Amino acid sequence: QSVLTQPPSVSAAPGQKVTISCSGSSSNIGHNYVSWYQQLPGTAPKVLIHENNKRPSGIPDRFSGSKSGTSATLDINGLQTGDEADYYCGTWDTSLSARVFGGGTKLTVL
Amino acid sequence: EVQLVESGGDLVQPGGSLRLSCAASGFTFSNYWMSWVRQAPGKGLEWVANIKHDGSEQYYVDYVKGRFTISRDNAKNSLFLQMNSLRAEDTAVYYCARDIVVATSLDAFDIWGQGTMVTVSS
Repeated sequence: QSVLTQPPSVSAAPGQKVTISCSGSSSNIGHNYVSWYQQLPGTAPKVLIHENNKRPSGIPDRFSGSKSGTSATLDINGLQTGDEADYYCGTWDTSLSARVFGGGTKLTVL
Repeated sequence: EVQLVESGGDLVQPGGSLRLSCAASGFTFSNYWMSWVRQAPGKGLEWVANIKHDGSEQYYVDYVKGRFTISRDNAKNSLFLQMNSLRAEDTAVYYCARDIVVATSLDAFDIWGQGTMVTVSS
């Protein structure tokens, strides 16, 4: 059971928008930065969002992140077939003194 | 080019030991926190341990405490994970990753290695 809760799967058609949620608590998301990762099949994860809502250079602005209270959200606009991947949220948990991840969300672009 | 390259993964029997290494290049290794993150076959990401840039602090996920030890050699730009008393449930791809720190807060993992496979089985 992951400390952070994500939906196991989401799906949408090409060109549409999808939202992936990440729910936590005051000891993790509530007081720490949230990051998001994309993992394409057979590859290492790649950071999409850091500091809750900042995109590293090279990440398209179709990807955006936000945080409110103890929850965070990753939005992907203008879906492309190449976006099919697993997506993970992550943060630090102050009570556990540990990094934590969500269980991951599999995105299917129909 | 900023790069992390893991090595040392292998097939090991339950109760055995293994030492993973991660070679860093293209950045000032001694300025960064570093982590090990693992992924069991078909499962999600699981953070294992991290270490402060100067090696003065280490943190571990509960179920590896007392069995795994993270360390680093800044002179050789290398990160290590000593794994003892290995169990079947430790079977996973192990990634090393660079931690970003913003002010005094840990943020994201911005650089990942390609991973090394550890299989614990008799």
